[in-house]
Amino acid sequence: GDSVTQMEGPVTLSEEAFLTINCTYTATGYPSLFWYVQYPGEGLQLLLKATKADDKGSNKGFEATYRKETTSFHLEKGSVQVSDSAVYFCALGHRGSNYKLTFGKGTLLTVNP
Amino acid sequence: GAGVSQSPSNKVTEKGKDVELRCDPISGHTALYWYRQSLGQGLEFLIYFQGNSAPDKSGLPSDRFSAERTGGSVSTLTIQRTQQEDSAVYLCAVGRAAYNEQFFGPGTRLTVL
Repeated sequence: GDSVTQMEGPVTLSEEAFLTINCTYTATGYPSLFWYVQYPGEGLQLLLKATKADDKGSNKGFEATYRKETTSFHLEKGSVQVSDSAVYFCALGHRGSNYKLTFGKGTLLTVNP
Repeated sequence: GAGVSQSPSNKVTEKGKDVELRCDPISGHTALYWYRQSLGQGLEFLIYFQGNSAPDKSGLPSDRFSAERTGGSVSTLTIQRTQQEDSAVYLCAVGRAAYNEQFFGPGTRLTVL
């Protein structure tokens, strides 16, 4: 079955540091890939997505590129802010399976001023 | 999450009791998903509803779990004879058919003593 593996946390960075959170997946066919974010005390929100190989999703300064050759969808941001502190989840879904999502375990990011 | 409310926000129950969790989405979102977020298992898909089609129950962990969706709107997740391992945050999400973005509710935190 499908699976998503993302780097273990927690990740602690200083403000303005560069962020990478690794995500790799195992899936049949051509899934859509997602990053969801959960801010403290809030619900899950879609951060960005990509639906086919080589697509780049971007939002709020975050980017991730769908790499089929390496089955990866790493999340990056050039300069993190304290407000980016949250838990980040990588996920995949198939159109043929009604986009029910398979999630990674989540990575807790803490950004210090 | 915008457009999805869940109740109660917190539920504490005793082992062996039945519980009902409610999801109330805004109209126009024909797809409805239930997920469970627990410390041990992360985020897991439970069940999916789409219009009048038969629900996809492939993620339900046991026959103690059931769900229904009335009138294509409100959904109720029922857990019978609760066990301590059922303790988790239960999340409801909605989306539109053919779209791959899901909007999550704030969740119900269930604690089984």
